[in-house]
Amino acid sequence: GAGVSQSPSNKVTEKGKDVELRCDPISGHTALYWYRQSLGQGLEFLIYFQGNSAPDKSGLPSDRFSAERTGGSVSTLTIQRTQQEDSAVYLCASSLVRGAGETQYFGPGTRLLVL
Amino acid sequence: AQSVTQPDIHITVSEGASLELRCNYSYGATPYLFWYVQSPGQGLQLLLKYFSGDTLVQGIKGFEAEFKRSQSSFNLRKPSVHWSDAAEYFCAVGLLNTGGFKTIFGAGTRLFVKA
Repeated sequence: GAGVSQSPSNKVTEKGKDVELRCDPISGHTALYWYRQSLGQGLEFLIYFQGNSAPDKSGLPSDRFSAERTGGSVSTLTIQRTQQEDSAVYLCASSLVRGAGETQYFGPGTRLLVL
Repeated sequence: AQSVTQPDIHITVSEGASLELRCNYSYGATPYLFWYVQSPGQGLQLLLKYFSGDTLVQGIKGFEAEFKRSQSSFNLRKPSVHWSDAAEYFCAVGLLNTGGFKTIFGAGTRLFVKA
């Protein structure tokens, strides 16, 4: 298979709890991206990885957000002390390499609802 | 500042009618240009992309887009819409800036198809 997979598909949590969102990119893709899609909004860039390193963390909304990638494959986006405004769909994408012209392949997303 | 504008939040067309979705960008040079489609509950899928050369680009599912440098536009077209085309469409630009490569997405246009 494979496309990009994400888990869980849906997550409901209470305000103040921590959540972890997982992304499995396409095998062999070195670049991995996280985006946030809020209702009626476009895609907001959060962070990208080239291999296991994240050269650009400028899109993370606050220090409650962090992400890691291990083994050049799976990535986890962690949101600590969730707030209601964190409710959104979190999309992960991967591309063969990092570049302005590279096609990104997207997962189905994790829909997060913070009550 | 670099930006991507999709002026139409939503569009309704009749099945069989032609379609044009607008996209304008703001960038000092010619960026890489993309159109993605997002069906309900799915991630984004690439329809087509433009780098250089022929300004009329053919994509999947019968879509095409035309790059017009003078208008900084990259409008998506389809001569005859099918009910299965109902989805959200995102225009994106890939560009190189001082921080490295960056992809900027528009806010999306939701397409409704009526029988």
